[in-house]
Amino acid sequence: AQTVTQSQPEMSVQEAETVTLSCTYDTSENNYYLFWYKQPPSRQMILVIRQEAYKQQNATENRFSVNFQKAAKSFSLKISDSQLGDTAMYFCAFMKPLAGANNLFFGTGTRLTVIP
Amino acid sequence: GAVVSQHPSRVICKSGTSVKIECRSLDFQATTMFWYRQFPKQSLMLMATSNEGSKATYEQGVEKDKFLINHASLTLSTLTVTSAHPEDSSFYICSARQGPYEQYFGPGTRLTVT
Repeated sequence: AQTVTQSQPEMSVQEAETVTLSCTYDTSENNYYLFWYKQPPSRQMILVIRQEAYKQQNATENRFSVNFQKAAKSFSLKISDSQLGDTAMYFCAFMKPLAGANNLFFGTGTRLTVIP
Repeated sequence: GAVVSQHPSRVICKSGTSVKIECRSLDFQATTMFWYRQFPKQSLMLMATSNEGSKATYEQGVEKDKFLINHASLTLSTLTVTSAHPEDSSFYICSARQGPYEQYFGPGTRLTVT
């Protein structure tokens, strides 16, 4: 089974500042996908950003960007210009293409608090 | 983006009764759906994987006779918690897969067993 490690259970950041959430994973696969999901107090899981392993370029989505280091099996999330609405649990996840079976593995999550 | 709904969003039931939770993919067909359980301040724990028209695959430690899953169509999967007990109180989340890697999550159902 794949393992995903988030070593920061809780983090906080001042509004408008930048914060980086770390994630490492363990796999022998070469073709896979990595995700960051956000779970706000509403509990709805929201996809923040996706990275395909075969792409060297780091994915970006507005204020969210990743630092994907394939050799190091590291996938960190950077949130720029933090906003109060960014307060949430953030889950890193690993997925390998596999039809019909579970292929999505979550980390334990990082609780981010944005301080006004 | 693709939308997954869950119903009900909250349910309270008495100990010993059964409760059914529905998960629907509203604008796409999902050959595979997943059911998760989430305890407070913890990650999602996969309970089972269901494929349309076949029996669900349960994760180790999940009682298949207690958590009945039916994936009757490409847009609907149901989870029935049978003979519920207070320890079954939790937040249940479903997700539906579209394609090889797109997986969309429902808003979750909070179950409270009294």
